[in-house]
Parts: sequence; C-alpha cells; structure tokens
Amino acid sequence: DSGVTQTPKHLITATGQRVTLRCSPRSGDLSVYWYQQSLDQGLQFLIQYYNGEERAKGNILERFSAQQFPDLHSELNLSSLELGDSALYFCASSVDARSVGTQYFGPGTRLLVL
Amino acid sequence: AQKVTQAQTEISVVEKEDVTLDCVYETRDTTYYLFWYKQPPSGELVFLIRRNSFDEQNEISGRYSWNFQKSTSSFNFTITASQVVDSAVYFCALSEISNFGNEKLTFGTGTRLTIIP
Repeated sequence: DSGVTQTPKHLITATGQRVTLRCSPRSGDLSVYWYQQSLDQGLQFLIQYYNGEERAKGNILERFSAQQFPDLHSELNLSSLELGDSALYFCASSVDARSVGTQYFGPGTRLLVL
Repeated sequence: AQKVTQAQTEISVVEKEDVTLDCVYETRDTTYYLFWYKQPPSGELVFLIRRNSFDEQNEISGRYSWNFQKSTSSFNFTITASQVVDSAVYFCALSEISNFGNEKLTFGTGTRLTIIP
C-alpha cells in the first residue's frame, strides 16, 4: 500500500459525459501528479500540482482539467468524454517539488467510456 | 526531449531462472533520476528503485539488482532465481530536474515478464 488513495476504482460512463476522479496524496506529500495509461499511448504524464498550484503540464487535453485543494487532495475532471478516453488514470504524490522525491502511485481509476 | 526505450516487449522464463530487463534512456541533462516500477496483474504501480545520475554504483536488494551505466545510457534490472510472483509488467522511467524539482516521469513502454512454474 503506497498510501495514495484514489476513488472510484472503476467508472463506467457514456460518451459526452463528465466525470471526476479523486486522489488523496500520502500524508506529508505536497506534490500530486496525474498520469494516463492507455493501450495505444502507454503511461503518459498529464499534470502536476504542488501545494495547490499547477507546476507542470503534459499531454493533457483541453477537455481535461485538474485542481488541488487546500487539504492537498486533487481532482481530475474529464468532460465531453470520448471512447478514446477509456484508460487507467493514476495519481501519484511526492514529498515536494523542490527535491526529486520518489513518486508513489495510487491504485488507479479504471475508466470505461461506452 | 527525454526518452526511455524498453526494447523487450515480452519475456518468458521458467521459474528459478535469472532474467534481465533492459532499459536505455536519452536525456540532454547531466542531472536526472532513473526509476523502475512494477505493475502486477492487479494494476497498481509499485516503486522498486530510484537512482540519480551521479551514482553509478550497482544496487542489490534481495533477488533484485540494478546495473546503471552512464557510458551506454542504460539502467538494466536483473531478477535472480525468478519466482511466479515476479510475473508483472516492469516499467523503467526517467525524471529530469527542473527549477521546480521533480516535474514528471517519462516512462518506457514496459516489459511484460511471465514466470512459468
């Protein structure tokens, strides 16, 4: 158990819908990262937050957005869902953004868009 | 741009055999970190090791060992006396240093390891 929690574990929805994925980092970790794992794209970095502020962006679609709240939990919002958004979404956390800490991953949310 | 290559897509070995998973990386930075993660069939990503670019010492942890060679930009992972529980997808990853610290991991495509009982 990495200490990172993600909810829900599984999500089934329809095209055009909007979903929210939630992540709670390990106790004491200020940095949260979101990754997408799909069959065709592999594991890809989406976005990073540090203590409530966006720090880095990867290949995140405009239909996707994220935020980190004062209690440090983070949410990833996916809207206007398409079939191709079906993937495993991981959240990871590390101690802070100034030292290269190890990123510990949550169990992931498996999203299926029908 | 940074890149990680895991040329071995799938490997199968008989239990108790040794197996080496290859990882080759590309980066322009002189300071960077390398990682290995394990993804068992249950799907989670489990951290195995982190190595910084200034530490080329090989590391051993039980049946696992890692060989980091800057001259060939490789960070290979060996499992000795493999066990069925080692069956998983293994990912090598690279993190570059920025002004903000650890920004993102660039992952290889993974190697699916199957240990045959």
